[in-house]
Amino acid sequence: EAGVVQSPRYKIIEKKQPVAFWCNPISGHNTLYWYRQNLGQGPELLIRYENEEAVDDSQLPKDRFSAERLKGVDSTLKIQPAELGDSAVYLCASSLRTSGAYEQYFGPGTRLTVT
Amino acid sequence: ELKVEQNPLFLSMQEGKNYTIYCNYSTTSDRLYWYRQDPGKSLESLFVLLSNGAVKQEGRLMASLDTKARLSTLHITAAVHDLSATYFCAVGKGTSGSRLTFGEGTQLTVNP
Repeated sequence: EAGVVQSPRYKIIEKKQPVAFWCNPISGHNTLYWYRQNLGQGPELLIRYENEEAVDDSQLPKDRFSAERLKGVDSTLKIQPAELGDSAVYLCASSLRTSGAYEQYFGPGTRLTVT
Repeated sequence: ELKVEQNPLFLSMQEGKNYTIYCNYSTTSDRLYWYRQDPGKSLESLFVLLSNGAVKQEGRLMASLDTKARLSTLHITAAVHDLSATYFCAVGKGTSGSRLTFGEGTQLTVNP
């Protein structure tokens, strides 16, 4: 079974430029998450989708970040314009509720460097 | 606001030794997850703990959860070099614990 797929794996951009990340979750997983992981820290949730509905986006900086999951499968996270502080690894995860818990499976991440 | 604290943050140990990583959290939850992350890699799920007193073991790792003390432990038995990685605990809140708050991680180095 294929895992969570993300692209690109690495991205270097200049500040003020836009950038987009793509995620394809594990087949059949209806819950999708985007996290940001700064160096030396744990991941922080940006947004969670249940199917195509964003059910938790309280941590998403909405002035410059946007996300979509149009058909309830793959998802795109966009930053426009990027700032130096956005340099981080952006992780996508998906889960399927089983036995009363959401065990999340993470993709390889996109390492963003803003110069 | 939920806070999750791990200690130690850095752990260097010799092969064959035992040690415990602690994860304390500030608000009530009965969903606790442990993940492993190798350098430059993504997170790998190790354990899902769903109730007070839950204990799970896989190889040289054993995780437990005490919801009353708001404490989870990850015990390493007879460490080997392959266990070197960063270990994160995460506390689940919201619908079935789907909203995870991660600790800072414990960077484990096992020396030959």
